[in-house]
Amino acid sequence: DAMVIQNPRYQVTQFGKPVTLSCSQTLNHNVMYWYQQKSSQAPKLLFHYYDKDFNNEADTPDNFQSRRPNTSFCFLDIRSPGLGDAAMYLCATTIFGGPNQPQHFGDGTRLSIL
Amino acid sequence: DQQVKQNSPSLSVQEGRISILNCDYTNSMFDYFLWYKKYPAEGPTFLISISSIKDKNEDGRFTVFLNKSAKHLSLHIVPSQPGDSAVYFCAASLTGGGNKLTFGTGTQLKVEL
Repeated sequence: DAMVIQNPRYQVTQFGKPVTLSCSQTLNHNVMYWYQQKSSQAPKLLFHYYDKDFNNEADTPDNFQSRRPNTSFCFLDIRSPGLGDAAMYLCATTIFGGPNQPQHFGDGTRLSIL
Repeated sequence: DQQVKQNSPSLSVQEGRISILNCDYTNSMFDYFLWYKKYPAEGPTFLISISSIKDKNEDGRFTVFLNKSAKHLSLHIVPSQPGDSAVYFCAASLTGGGNKLTFGTGTQLKVEL
């Protein structure tokens, strides 16, 4: 089945130690998104790609970076994680073609900071 | 500034009855609205959507109603089933916004036997 896969499902890192979360998709969608969701809060868009064109949200901290080496893969890098970065990170994909194209989500990576 | 609001964090309904989940928005530029369902330990999955040119969209047991003047939409599930127990997120987007979604905080629905 075509899908969006996030690895790992659970990630524990130390305060200040860089961490990378990955997302892959078999849907061949040209748009990929990264969201951060904290407990009882709405998913918050961090950035997204149209193909290789990177789009950062204005309030995304510089500590968060992303790479998309090809259509299928996208990575979220947190350069120096702080305690406030503990959250669920969701990857989503869609075909660019208007707001009626729903996003398809992975199951997320839960990041804990020690 | 929360542009999409789901003011009820939780809702409990008996099996077979109607579930009504509500959502309010503040940005009048939003012109497309979606509902996602999320089970524990899984990502959100798309459920149903509605364009601002409509006031109702129906898909089986699920119906979404849109009241543009009130900037309010609701999701009706009838009849409710235990498998509907999940968190429901309301989301909004706008034409020209690059498919970006603005989500509400979600409502936890529990359907009891």
